[in-house]
This record gives sequence, structure tokens and C-alpha cells, in this order.
Amino acid sequence: QLQLQESGPGLVKPSETLSLTCTVSGVSISWTTYYWGWIRQPPGKGLEWIGNIYSTGSTYYSPSLKSRVTISVDTSKNQFSLKLSSVTAADTAIYYCATQPLSRWDYLDSWGQGTLVTVSP
Amino acid sequence: SSELTQDPAVSVALGQTVRITCQGDSLRSNYASWYQQKPGQAPIIVIYGENNRPSGIPDRFSGSSSGNTASLTITGAQAEDEADFYCYSRDSSGTYQVFGGGTKLTVL
Repeated sequence: QLQLQESGPGLVKPSETLSLTCTVSGVSISWTTYYWGWIRQPPGKGLEWIGNIYSTGSTYYSPSLKSRVTISVDTSKNQFSLKLSSVTAADTAIYYCATQPLSRWDYLDSWGQGTLVTVSP
Repeated sequence: SSELTQDPAVSVALGQTVRITCQGDSLRSNYASWYQQKPGQAPIIVIYGENNRPSGIPDRFSGSSSGNTASLTITGAQAEDEADFYCYSRDSSGTYQVFGGGTKLTVL
């Protein structure tokens, strides 16, 4: 059974880079049947799609975050990562990793539990 | 503002039927998927594609689509269905994914 677990610092200073990792268990991240993605949710607000990466390395980023986001895969560790640069208080959110099957439909079938990242001096 | 529009809040009497809608131009050519999120928990998928329910999702949840509107219907709402619901699909360019703003469902 596929499971996802986010990890990383819970506190990041303004203007610095937020870095999170999602550890995948139950399936090889090299499988070509998934996109590996990130979603975030500011406290008390809705979900926001950040972007995803395919096993070939192709990436897709939200236009609103594209200039600051990098998603990458480490197949040796069965992990994928998110980096968000030049953070501000507006980037304070719960960050989720999730899988999107390669399918004719767009849907996120597995989610991590989420990790809260606070941007504060 | 999101390219997928949802009503912020909807209420339903216990045991009755409720429809939660999601509107957007991209829905004319893309299906939406639907997610239920309870307080303090990660979202879970309840409907995807034309009307597909993942294993473990009760059959009182169903999905449909017409024109620029996707709908999630709960037939015989239960107290445990009270949650936030989000739709998810493509943006108007068809290139990127977006979520709707979410609908808070209250079961009375």
C-alpha cells in the first residue's frame, strides 16, 4: 500500500528557502504510473496546487508560484522534494505531498498527513 | 480567486440529499475529482472521473457533470459527512491543476 510522509523544518525565516521532503513507501518512485505532487493549505483556508513531477523528470508548476518553486525526485532514497524560495508570511501553510495516477482523469489518490510550515523571523 | 467556483457553505438535513457544485470553463472538457476534508485531517478522494468511487467510499456519494458544472451528490447525508469538500481539475488553459475554493457542508 502506497504511503507518503512529509518532513522538513517547521519554521522558516522570511526571504529564506522552504525545503520539504516526501518519503514514499509501498511503491518505487521510479514507477511511470504516477505524478508526484505538492499541495498547500494556509491555516483556515482552501487547498492550493503547487505542482508535480513525473518520473521522467518533467515538472509542472502553478503559474502563481512558478518563479519560486522547484520539485525534484531522488530515486535512490525513494523521495521527492519541494523547494520554495524567497518565502513570506503568505507561504505559511500545511504542505501536503500526494500522488496523481497517470490516467485520463486528474485526481489525487494518496495524500501524506501534511506538515505545518510557519514563516516567521 | 480560483478558476473553479464553489459555494462557500451548504447545509442539509440529516438523511436528505445535497448537491455540491463546482463551476468553471475547464469543466466543459475535463472531469473534476472531489475531496472530503475533516478538521485536522488530510483530504481524501471521494469521486473521480465520470463517477468513480475509490474503495471504502460509501455509495451515497456520486458525481455528475453538465456543461461547465461538476456536481457531487450525497444521497441520504449522514452526520459523519459534515466536512469541507473541494473540487479539483484543470485550469482554463488545460495545462495546470487547480482546486475550487471549497464548500463547507453542515449536516443539520
